[in-house]
Amino acid sequence: RKEVEQDPGPFNVPEGATVAFNCTYSNSASQSFFWYRQDCRKEPKLLMSVYSSGNEDGRFTAQLNRASQYISLLIRDSKLSDSATYLCVVNGNTGGFKTIFGAGTRLFVKA
Amino acid sequence: GAGVSQSPSNKVTEKGKDVELRCDPISGHTALYWYRQRLGQGLEFLIYFQGNSAPDKSGLPSDRFSAERTGESVSTLTIQRTQQEDSAVYLCASSLGSVTEAFFGQGTRLTVV
Repeated sequence: RKEVEQDPGPFNVPEGATVAFNCTYSNSASQSFFWYRQDCRKEPKLLMSVYSSGNEDGRFTAQLNRASQYISLLIRDSKLSDSATYLCVVNGNTGGFKTIFGAGTRLFVKA
Repeated sequence: GAGVSQSPSNKVTEKGKDVELRCDPISGHTALYWYRQRLGQGLEFLIYFQGNSAPDKSGLPSDRFSAERTGESVSTLTIQRTQQEDSAVYLCASSLGSVTEAFFGQGTRLTVV
């Protein structure tokens, strides 16, 4: 089992749609969680951290369920500019903390 | 302040040659990561440095790959006897600690011909 697993995608949605990304992680000792965004031929950049209480930033909502070892990202009213790959990121503890990236889910938002 | 800096940004090399890739992390960042990303693929973990601890080399794909970091400064990733399958973007990231967000450099695009 991979340490961090994401929906394989790609997701193709029309503008204005709501889209949800899901991610599971295997290490229950993981301590911090993030969603990153990667545009084509660019480096990944932090989109938002994920807190146990859930957090929202404009059209983006991130949630964490520690009991189920599950993280989600919801994008409401999607824009063309949201088209990118979304990466689930977990700081795990496998012989020492390190940052583990999921394979990413590609999103295409179409007019 | 300055972000993570990688050099060169692009490198074309002949099969069998050695290459050295450089990463300058953000000042004060104790953690440093190297990842590989092949075209259209996800990030592949290579190696992780945390302060003065022994590096986590579990992601290095073969003994042709090695990396060094002196203290909390510059890191170099060396690939010996390059093969065509080594062609990829090599990304370096640094973070303030082991559980904080990672910041990426723009990567080195390696092409082995």
